[in-house]
Amino acid sequence: EPEVTQTPSHQVTQMGQEVILRCVPISNHLYFYWYRQILGQKVEFLVSFYNNEISEKSEIFDDQFSVERPDGSNFTLKIRSTKLEDSAMYFCASRELEGTGGSPLHFGNGTRLTVT
Amino acid sequence: AQKVTQAQTEISVVEKEDVTLDCVYETRDTTYYLFWYKQPPSGELVFLIRRNSFDEQNEISGRYSWNFQKSTSSFNFTITASQVVDSAVYFCALAGEGNKLVFGAGTILRVKS
Repeated sequence: EPEVTQTPSHQVTQMGQEVILRCVPISNHLYFYWYRQILGQKVEFLVSFYNNEISEKSEIFDDQFSVERPDGSNFTLKIRSTKLEDSAMYFCASRELEGTGGSPLHFGNGTRLTVT
Repeated sequence: AQKVTQAQTEISVVEKEDVTLDCVYETRDTTYYLFWYKQPPSGELVFLIRRNSFDEQNEISGRYSWNFQKSTSSFNFTITASQVVDSAVYFCALAGEGNKLVFGAGTILRVKS
């Protein structure tokens, strides 16, 4: 069964450094997402991406965050200058085009980001 | 605005007991979708079920069953004859007429042998 793949599985970085989290969505999916889960807390929406542009973003997704689909397969999340509070599990997800909202999101296994 | 409430923070049961995880949602959209995801200790999010707002039929899949009641805005999940492998965090989620999936806070299920 096709799956969403994320790399790396764990990234450690120092405060103030830039990080890029990488995702390869399922090939025929058209909607892409990033979610964040701080340890022990709920899964929070960051951003959705469709047709090569951001379709919606949350208040968490401020100017230090950006997303890009640099080629036909990758979908990246960049954090420009990491803070301690950015430490979390970051999930990439994708879904098919099926009306609005209805097809399930398929999640990658996540990248655990640790900012020291 | 969409909101999902999972009032049970943590539930502990003994193997073979039945357990029900509660989910209550709020939305103003006419068309919406409800989901359950499982997050085992390994951390990934596993899709379990989707229900749309026009289909109130309950569903059973093996030991899992779901009870969708629009009148009470609830979408509860029951595991029959629980097993240790069912131990995980279970998230209820809602997608409205927009593009975004909103998660509840999750319920930690611990099944002891």
